[in-house]
Amino acid sequence: AQSVSQHNHHVILSEAASLELGCNYSYGGTVNLFWYVQYPGQHLQLLLKYFSGDPLVKGIKGFEAEFIKSKFSFNLRKPSVQWSDTAEYFCAVNRRSASKIIFGSGTRLSIRP
Amino acid sequence: EAGVTQFPSHSVIEKGQTVTLRCDPISGHDNLYWYRRVMGKEIKFLLHFVKESKQDESGMPNNRFLAERTGGTYSTLKVQPAELEDSGVYFCASRPQFSWENTEAFFGQGTRLTVV
Repeated sequence: AQSVSQHNHHVILSEAASLELGCNYSYGGTVNLFWYVQYPGQHLQLLLKYFSGDPLVKGIKGFEAEFIKSKFSFNLRKPSVQWSDTAEYFCAVNRRSASKIIFGSGTRLSIRP
Repeated sequence: EAGVTQFPSHSVIEKGQTVTLRCDPISGHDNLYWYRRVMGKEIKFLLHFVKESKQDESGMPNNRFLAERTGGTYSTLKVQPAELEDSGVYFCASRPQFSWENTEAFFGQGTRLTVV
């Protein structure tokens, strides 16, 4: 079955620590890739996206993600997290041949001040 | 520009009752999606409208769920009769173009449904 896997359900870091959240998907073919974030009490919003071109994409708030096609991965990174990054992060994928976006189960990120 | 809006934000109903959720997409967005998240699990796709037509309803759990998008504007998702396992957060999203190759989806704040 088609799926998106996020390896970490809950990550706890101290401020200024580096972050990497894993995401793997199981589709073949051409895909669009997304990371969405949900801050406490807010709606889902786009953090960054990959459609084509440079596999290293920059998003808002200093986040970046790297698409590695051979590994079917799209890991999210940030060199130095802040307390305000406390949120839930969702990796999402859609095949170019299909309309629906498939989400992972989410990773809850808690930052200790 | 107004974002995707959903109503109500919360709903608590008894098992066996009917509930109707509403989603107003961003004006002009042809694509409208419904998703559900149950108890911290993944955000699961329910269905996709292109204008007023159902493009993909493969994620609808069963025939107790009915989605409509009359006139291709707002959409409703009705659950009748509601069961305990229907509890969760229902998200709506819209996308600006028929082609999904270069657009992301914009999400509403969700409706938290609790069936007791």
